[in-house]
Amino acid sequence: EAEVAQSPRYKITEKSQAVAFWCDPISGHATLYWYRQILGQGPELLVQFQDESVVDDSQLPKDRFSAERLKGVDSTLKIQPAELGDSAMYLCASSPGLGADLGYTFGSGTRLTVV
Amino acid sequence: QQQVKQSPQSLIVQKGGISIINCAYENTAFDYFPWYQQFPGKGPALLIAIRPDVSEKKEGRFTISFNKSAKQFSLHIMDSQPGDSATYFCAASSTGGFKTIFGAGTRLFVKA
Repeated sequence: EAEVAQSPRYKITEKSQAVAFWCDPISGHATLYWYRQILGQGPELLVQFQDESVVDDSQLPKDRFSAERLKGVDSTLKIQPAELGDSAMYLCASSPGLGADLGYTFGSGTRLTVV
Repeated sequence: QQQVKQSPQSLIVQKGGISIINCAYENTAFDYFPWYQQFPGKGPALLIAIRPDVSEKKEGRFTISFNKSAKQFSLHIMDSQPGDSATYFCAASSTGGFKTIFGAGTRLFVKA
């Protein structure tokens, strides 16, 4: 069964440092999402790509977060500088296209701890 | 208006019992309502979904009941098993918009 790959699985970083997460969606999936899941809460959308273009980044804290999907395949999410409140699970998901009714496939996430 | 409210936060059910999780929404533009199941250390996985043109959808032991007038929907897990112990998220989206809004989640524990 096809999977969404994410790395690293765990990351511990000091506040004010830079950190990056990588996601490889299911082959052929044009739509890619980055979600943040704070412990005990539901996932919240940070950014959505259609191919290499950003569709929605309205909830992305752009002063410290950036995301790219240069060739429309894999994607990188960066935080610089990291803050204590950024500690969370960062989930990547992909979908065959736009339209939430196509269903998302989530990766296993990156657990970030900022100390 | 964009929120999806989910209850209870946690639920303990005996093996063989029925687990019921409820969700409510405000935005009448929502027209797709999925449920996701998440095990510890894993990402959420799509479990079952419903559109508002039907009042109920069943897949195996999992049933979604939908009340359009009340803007509420619920997940029923029949014959609950210890392997069903996980966190369940309801969600809502509109076909025209592309964002899925998730509830806060319900941690289900099924006692053997």
